[in-house]
Amino acid sequence: AQSVTQLDSQVPVFEEAPVELRCNYSSSVSVYLFWYVQYPNQGLQLLLKYLSGSTLVKGINGFEAEFNKSQTSFHLRKPSVHISDTAEYFCAVSVRNNDMRFGAGTRLTVKP
Amino acid sequence: GAVVSQHPSRVICKSGTSVKIECRSLDFQATTMFWYRQFPKQSLMLMATSNEGSKATYEQGVEKDKFLINHASLTLSTLTVTSAHPEDSSFYICSAINRIQETQYFGPGTRLLVL
Repeated sequence: AQSVTQLDSQVPVFEEAPVELRCNYSSSVSVYLFWYVQYPNQGLQLLLKYLSGSTLVKGINGFEAEFNKSQTSFHLRKPSVHISDTAEYFCAVSVRNNDMRFGAGTRLTVKP
Repeated sequence: GAVVSQHPSRVICKSGTSVKIECRSLDFQATTMFWYRQFPKQSLMLMATSNEGSKATYEQGVEKDKFLINHASLTLSTLTVTSAHPEDSSFYICSAINRIQETQYFGPGTRLLVL
């Protein structure tokens, strides 16, 4: 079965600094990869997804992620964060877009 | 706008009562829906896969008699928490797959508090 590991439970960063949230996955078959954001007391919002094709995926709010098959990674990046980016971020993996397996989440805190 | 809705968004109930949560796909047919639960400050854990017209598939450790799932139509799946107890208090999130778009959409979640 597929699984996801988010290496950092918390990432504090100053406003306008770059950020990278790390995600590694494990699967014996080809997978789809996703990043979601969750604001307090709200549901999930899709940031971006990788299904196939170009390994660099651009999403909403200025986020992007790169699929690296050899390193089984799908790290999320943003060149300059805002206070409003403070939230919980989840990496997820699925096989053929079926049931998703989520990482433990990374709490991004953007400080002024 | 939202393509998957959940009702209610928040519910408080007494211990021992049953609570039904609805998940609807608003503008597409979903033969498959999923139910997740999320404890505070934790990740989402898949509870079960809901298939239209057939029995749900439960993940290991999830009591099927405790969490009844009914996927009676192509746009509606329901999760009933039977004889709820305080430890069932959680955030329940559903998702539905739009096979045409190859996209899974998540509902906004239902917060259940059992007193």
